[in-house]
Amino acid sequence: AQSVAQPEDQVNVAEGNPLTVKCTYSVSGNPYLFWYVQYPNRGLQFLLKYITGDNLVKGSYGFEAEFNKSQTSFHLKKPSALVSDSALYFCAVSRSNDYKLSFGAGTTVTVRA
Amino acid sequence: GAVVSQHPSWVICKSGTSVKIECRSLDFQATTMFWYRQFPKQSLMLMATSNEGSKATYEQGVEKDKFLINHASLTLSTLTVTSAHPEDSSFYICSASFTYGGMYEQYFGPGTRLTVT
Repeated sequence: AQSVAQPEDQVNVAEGNPLTVKCTYSVSGNPYLFWYVQYPNRGLQFLLKYITGDNLVKGSYGFEAEFNKSQTSFHLKKPSALVSDSALYFCAVSRSNDYKLSFGAGTTVTVRA
Repeated sequence: GAVVSQHPSWVICKSGTSVKIECRSLDFQATTMFWYRQFPKQSLMLMATSNEGSKATYEQGVEKDKFLINHASLTLSTLTVTSAHPEDSSFYICSASFTYGGMYEQYFGPGTRLTVT
């Protein structure tokens, strides 16, 4: 079985401050890890993924995430948040051989001006 | 990036009727398509995995006779909600995936909001 935990339902930051959204995972074998963002009544937009290689992954819109195998974490970060980053963020994991995604519960990010 | 479309984007139907939702990969051939449902303020739950030309694989607890999935071509998968009931009201999202050169890509559609009255 595979699972993802996003321990924070909500994250509130001021514009210009660093943003971190936490994610830990559980999966047998090598994980494929993903971050997606969802705006109201919209589908998912891909931000970044970790498959293999460098533990620090850079993605869209200035986001990055660090894969930490020992802590089984894949936290999403952005050095300077924008009001437009306010949205629902999902972390997801799949096993390397079947690509079926298991999603975390989601974290609502609110960036105040 | 690659584009996945869904049609309709929203639909309202009466209880007992059937509704078909289409998922299309517009600029690539999808070896596998996935169907998810999302309840308000909740996460996405995988319903089924669909490969072109073969029967869909349903996740535990998903009624295959209620949620009929057809993957007729490498660019089209359909989800039919049969004899819909108000509890089937949800946001349905598909994704389409392909592999190339050992890399894997999966792209999501914009979702379909189903309301059953």
